Amino acid sequence: DTAVSQTPKYLVTQMGNDKSIKCEQNLGHDTMYWYKQDSKKFLKIMFSYNNKELIINETVPNRFSPKSPDKAHLNLHINSLELGDSAVYFCASSTSPGPLYEQYFGPGTRLTVT
Amino acid sequence: QQQVKQSPQSLIVQKGGISIINCAYENTAFDYFPWYQQFPGKGPALLIAIRPDVSEKKEGRFTISFNKSAKQFSLHIMDSQPGDSATYFCAADSGGYNKLIFGAGTRLAVHP
Repeated sequence: DTAVSQTPKYLVTQMGNDKSIKCEQNLGHDTMYWYKQDSKKFLKIMFSYNNKELIINETVPNRFSPKSPDKAHLNLHINSLELGDSAVYFCASSTSPGPLYEQYFGPGTRLTVT
Repeated sequence: QQQVKQSPQSLIVQKGGISIINCAYENTAFDYFPWYQQFPGKGPALLIAIRPDVSEKKEGRFTISFNKSAKQFSLHIMDSQPGDSATYFCAADSGGYNKLIFGAGTRLAVHP
C-alpha cells in the first residue's frame, strides 16, 4: 500500500493556466507538507499543515494556495502558472510537527510549464 | 540564504570503498540533523539522523559523525555498493514545527 501518494505524477501545461496537485496519506499522520525541488535538486519547504491548520507558510508567491480538506489530504493549487514554476513538487507527512518525527515523502509530481 | 552547506556536489566511489559527504551549518539553534536518500524518480527517504548531544551514530554501513564545535557533520558509507547510488541530502531542523532545511544534495555513483 502506498503511504503518501500524489496525483498526477506528471503535469505539462502552458503559462497562465491554473492547475492542482493532490496528495493523500494513509499513515494516520497529523502533519503534511509541500516541498519544491528545482532543476538543481534543491529541496525547499513551501507549506505545512497540522490537523488541517496552516503552520508553515514560507515565502511563496500567493499564486500558490494549499488546501487541506482533512488530515489525510493536502492539495496544492497554482494559479497563473509561470515558467519558473517548473519543478518537482513533493508532498510529505509526519506523525506530528517536531524535530524527532520522520517525514515520509510521496513520489513527486513533475510540473513542466511551457 | 543557504543555512546548510553540503559538499561535494557529486561523488564517484568504487564498490567496497568509503563514501564521505560533508555538511556545515551556521545556526547554533539547529538541534536535529537527518540525512535523506533519494533514488531517481522517487521521493527522499530518511536514512539516519543524529542529535547534537552525541558525536557519532551508526546504523549498519551508514555512520554520521557530528562535530558541534565546528558546526559540521558528515555521512560515511562503508563498503559502498552500486545500490547505494542515489542523491543524499543532509538537513537540519530548528525544533518547533519540524521545518527541515536541506543541503544542496550530493549525487553518489558507486561503480562496480
